[in-house]
Amino acid sequence: GQNIDQPTEMTATEGAIVQINCTYQTSGFNGLFWYQQHAGEAPTFLSYNVLDGLEEKGRFSSFLSRSKGYSYLLLKELQMKDSASYLCAVRDSNYQLIWGAGTKLIIKP
Amino acid sequence: ETGVTQTPRHLVMGMTNKKSLKCEQHLGHNAMYWYKQSAKKPLELMFVYSLEERVENNSVPSRFSPECPNSSHLFLHLHTLQPEDSALYLCASSQEGAGSPYNEQFFGPGTRLTVL
Repeated sequence: GQNIDQPTEMTATEGAIVQINCTYQTSGFNGLFWYQQHAGEAPTFLSYNVLDGLEEKGRFSSFLSRSKGYSYLLLKELQMKDSASYLCAVRDSNYQLIWGAGTKLIIKP
Repeated sequence: ETGVTQTPRHLVMGMTNKKSLKCEQHLGHNAMYWYKQSAKKPLELMFVYSLEERVENNSVPSRFSPECPNSSHLFLHLHTLQPEDSALYLCASSQEGAGSPYNEQFFGPGTRLTVL
């Protein structure tokens, strides 16, 4: 079966750095997405990786290792507004998105 | 403002009611999706309309019925639901095919459904 694993909840301090991991086993691979979802709101697209390596976009970076079935989202200089759920999703061989359950990130002052 | 709107935002219905959820995308996309989001569970893909072809998840009960009259509008018709169907129902759209590097999905704010 297809599976995406990510931690259920993480806590970090304002101004610090946090890394949210995602491991996957899917039927084929056509890219990995990270989305941010604030409580009661729509998920919004953060990043996309299809080749191995690091993609940087401002305070957020996403890393992919296809051989290890592993990705992480790195958030730097954390702000209170970064408190949200972070969803990892993999596009499989049928071009369908397989979703993780999300990681709830709590930022403390 | 994501370009995808959903109505209503909240819906409470009894098990014998019939209701419909509406989604509209203003992004010119050619694919639309219905997802179910339950607490602490992965997003569950329910239905996809892509390039005017419906791709159906076989595990979706028949009490959920989608309708896509055109590329901008998507409906989810509900009848004789069960309490376990209570969840957040999200609509999304994307541009499939050439010209879009990521084909990322854009989501609406969702309809919070409660079945009594």
